[in-house]
Amino acid sequence: AQSVTQLGSHVSVSEGALVLLRCNYSSSVPPYLFWYVQYPNQGLQLLLKYTSAATLVKGINGFEAEFKKSETSFHLTKPSAHMSDAAEYFCAVIQGGGATNKLIFGTGTLLAVQP
Amino acid sequence: NAGVTQTPKFRVLKTGQSMTLLCAQDMNHEYMYWYRQDPGMGLRLIHYSVGEGTTAKGEVPDGYNVSRLKKQNFLLGLESAAPSQTSVYFCASSLATSNTGELFFGEGSRLTVL
Repeated sequence: AQSVTQLGSHVSVSEGALVLLRCNYSSSVPPYLFWYVQYPNQGLQLLLKYTSAATLVKGINGFEAEFKKSETSFHLTKPSAHMSDAAEYFCAVIQGGGATNKLIFGTGTLLAVQP
Repeated sequence: NAGVTQTPKFRVLKTGQSMTLLCAQDMNHEYMYWYRQDPGMGLRLIHYSVGEGTTAKGEVPDGYNVSRLKKQNFLLGLESAAPSQTSVYFCASSLATSNTGELFFGEGSRLTVL
């Protein structure tokens, strides 16, 4: 069965610093991986996705993630944090054959950005 | 553009009471989902539907029932609420295209069971 593990439930960075949010996956088949963002009191929205094309995936708001099969990782990065990036970030993987788009989510990482 | 709308946004119940959460989407999506979000546990899939008149169980279906009588609506019911069902519930929808993984979420419904 597919699953994802997010390392670090809380991450704090200074404005302008590098953002690195970690996600490792477990899958017996080539995975389809996603990062979602949740701003306070809102639903989740898709940040970026990996669907077996390019291993470096660019998303919205300057975020990107790199799929590394050898490390079973899909870490999310942003070169320079902005105050507006403060949110909770979820890594996710499609379950099963993917036909129904059922997502399995990680436990989330809350990103705080300090001025 | 409303997208995915959930009602009510907040509700307080006593143990044993029943209630229904309504999800409506105006994007003509085939697939709809109900998730619950709890601190430190991420989102867990309760039930989902791949089309009008069809429903299926997710990871944590016990204590919940769902119905999809109309394509645009997906109802989540609690027949006898328990404190363990205190949570934030999210509805989502997606196109009937496999492996896109792009779900559109509502803003959530916060339920407290006393």
